[in-house]
Amino acid sequence: EVHLVESGGGLVKPGRSLRLSCAASGFTFDDHAMHWVRQVPGKGLEWVSGISWNSGITGYADSVKGRFTISRDNAKNSVYLRMNSLRIEDTAHYYCARDSGSNYWAYFQNWGQGTPVTVSS
Amino acid sequence: QSALTQPASVSGSPGQSITISCTGTSSDIGGYDYVSWYQHHPGRAPKLMIYKVNNRPSGVSNRFSGSKSGNTASLTISGLQAEDEADYFCSSYTISSTLIFGGGTKLTVL
Repeated sequence: EVHLVESGGGLVKPGRSLRLSCAASGFTFDDHAMHWVRQVPGKGLEWVSGISWNSGITGYADSVKGRFTISRDNAKNSVYLRMNSLRIEDTAHYYCARDSGSNYWAYFQNWGQGTPVTVSS
Repeated sequence: QSALTQPASVSGSPGQSITISCTGTSSDIGGYDYVSWYQHHPGRAPKLMIYKVNNRPSGVSNRFSGSKSGNTASLTISGLQAEDEADYFCSSYTISSTLIFGGGTKLTVL
């Protein structure tokens, strides 16, 4: 059974940094691209970033480009999201998701439960 | 890029059918067949219900079906059941090599 477990969320002041982690199990991790998706409470979902199986391709939403960095460690079956220069509008629940494809974005086959991030002074 | 457009809410009685629309542009829904739908019960992980416009993952009830016409995709749920009450989101690949979601539709089973 596929499991995605996010961690690293919390309360942080504007301008500070945070690193989210997602531990994957139950599938061949390096066969799949991975993503981060967020949801502001009471709002819709927003794709944040994606990374191909070998880290050769990464993508970012315009709202986080230049501030967030996605990475993965296939030896540890983990994907990460480094969030710098955090803004109040980055406050959201952050989900890790597995793509069906390996080297392109298609759709989100599985999701984790997410981790909350609150940016506030 | 703006979010895909979904109705904020739909409702139906048990046993009835409902359809949720998802409207985009030729740069997303109209240009690609990577349209997917997700069911989200608050507090739980979202669940893939439909992928590539009209395909159901293993384990998803055949009461769920998807379609696309031009820049609009649709999710139809037939034989509504109480457990179907949830938020539903559509998603599409875009010309900018990103993924985009709809604003979400709250389904109420009366």
